[in-house]
Amino acid sequence: NAGVMQNPRHLVRRRGQEARLRCSPMKGHSHVYWYRQLPEEGLKFMVYLQKENIIDESGMPKERFSAEFPKEGPSILRIQQVVRGDSAAYFCASSPVSLTEETQYFGPGTRLLVL
Amino acid sequence: QKEVEQNSGPLSVPEGAIASLNCTYSDRGSQSFFWYRQYSGKSPELIMSIYSNGDKEDGRFTAQLNKASQYVSLLIRDSQPSDSATYLCAGTNTGGFKTIFGAGTRLFVKA
Repeated sequence: NAGVMQNPRHLVRRRGQEARLRCSPMKGHSHVYWYRQLPEEGLKFMVYLQKENIIDESGMPKERFSAEFPKEGPSILRIQQVVRGDSAAYFCASSPVSLTEETQYFGPGTRLLVL
Repeated sequence: QKEVEQNSGPLSVPEGAIASLNCTYSDRGSQSFFWYRQYSGKSPELIMSIYSNGDKEDGRFTAQLNKASQYVSLLIRDSQPSDSATYLCAGTNTGGFKTIFGAGTRLFVKA
């Protein structure tokens, strides 16, 4: 049973380019969460999605960031016009049901470096 | 702002000792709590989940939850050098839509 998959594992972008991060949840999991972790800091919640729905995006910056979880395919976190401050590790997690009933499992993360 | 707070450490204990990690949270509606271990450059790994007041034991790990005091702790018995990592405390917000993480406590176990 494959775990949560994320790709790419490392991504280098120049300022102003777009970054597209992908996350495939564990089999049978329909809830996806995205977190950002800056160096030497904890994880910060960004967005919670179910299939075709954004449930809570309160942690996501209002500009340049967007997320989706289509009916088919992986969840995508998209960062437009990246800036150096976007450099961080981005982790995706999934759970089979809501967090009050089940824990979430993390993918290996995507390390984004903006030059 | 709903928060989860941890002592950033570092906490240093000798091999074989008990390591005690503490965490407080501000959202009284939080229902579920988790301890994750994160090695440098790696993703968080779930160690324990706890949902009700009291103690929960799993091998060398014991999680304790006190909802009245809004306090969660993790005890690691017989600490090993391989336990050296950052330990993240986390709790779900009211409604259970998202998990709020503390900044983590760095633990060093000296051989």
